[in-house]
Amino acid sequence: GAVVSQHPSWVICKSGTSVKIECRSLDFQATTMFWYRQFPKQSLMLMATSNEGSKATYEQGVEKDKFLINHASLTLSTLTVTSAHPEDSSFYICSAPRGDTGELFFGEGSRLTVL
Amino acid sequence: QKEVEQDPGPLSVPEGAIVSLNCTYSNSAFQYFMWYRQYSRKGPELLMYTYSSGNKEDGRFTAQVDKSSKYISLFIRDSQPSDSATYLCAMSPSGGYQKVTFGIGTKLQVIP
Repeated sequence: GAVVSQHPSWVICKSGTSVKIECRSLDFQATTMFWYRQFPKQSLMLMATSNEGSKATYEQGVEKDKFLINHASLTLSTLTVTSAHPEDSSFYICSAPRGDTGELFFGEGSRLTVL
Repeated sequence: QKEVEQDPGPLSVPEGAIVSLNCTYSNSAFQYFMWYRQYSRKGPELLMYTYSSGNKEDGRFTAQVDKSSKYISLFIRDSQPSDSATYLCAMSPSGGYQKVTFGIGTKLQVIP
């Protein structure tokens, strides 16, 4: 079964609204989680690294005020897309490394469509 | 030059064939290598994870790493239509705790 759960799996919203996506590690604690965006026929692009108890680290070109990340606990990170616009429509995926091996597990992904 | 190169395909094979998927990389700091399977509209699923040169086998899947050549492979034996998906290679200097660099993914279609 899934070790990283993501919710919602899909969401449709109106332009200008905010959308929150949750990422949970189900049977392990994750002090770090990663958020990616994937456009059609493109590879995963890392957006930011979510750190429990501290600020997220954003990749170059990613607006931190638009993509708010909160790592509230050792099993939960949230990504909020604020004032969403159609160009934000994409597939958002989270991941978390597990245990000493650092194996990286992904959530099921959240497809965002902004009308 | 991209850090990780992967042929996007698509690759079509008949059911039962042996599939070979490959990636090359340029960063010698990469020590951990992963293969993910991603079905359409789903998140990637970890298939294989290795941190040493050589072969690692898991069922019908074999991951091969050649650090001297900076080349990794994933072999799928007795391929099934359910193996049809996009296969992503990924690598990092120290496991998933640091930034993982992904290949673009190879789309595989196994034809019944």
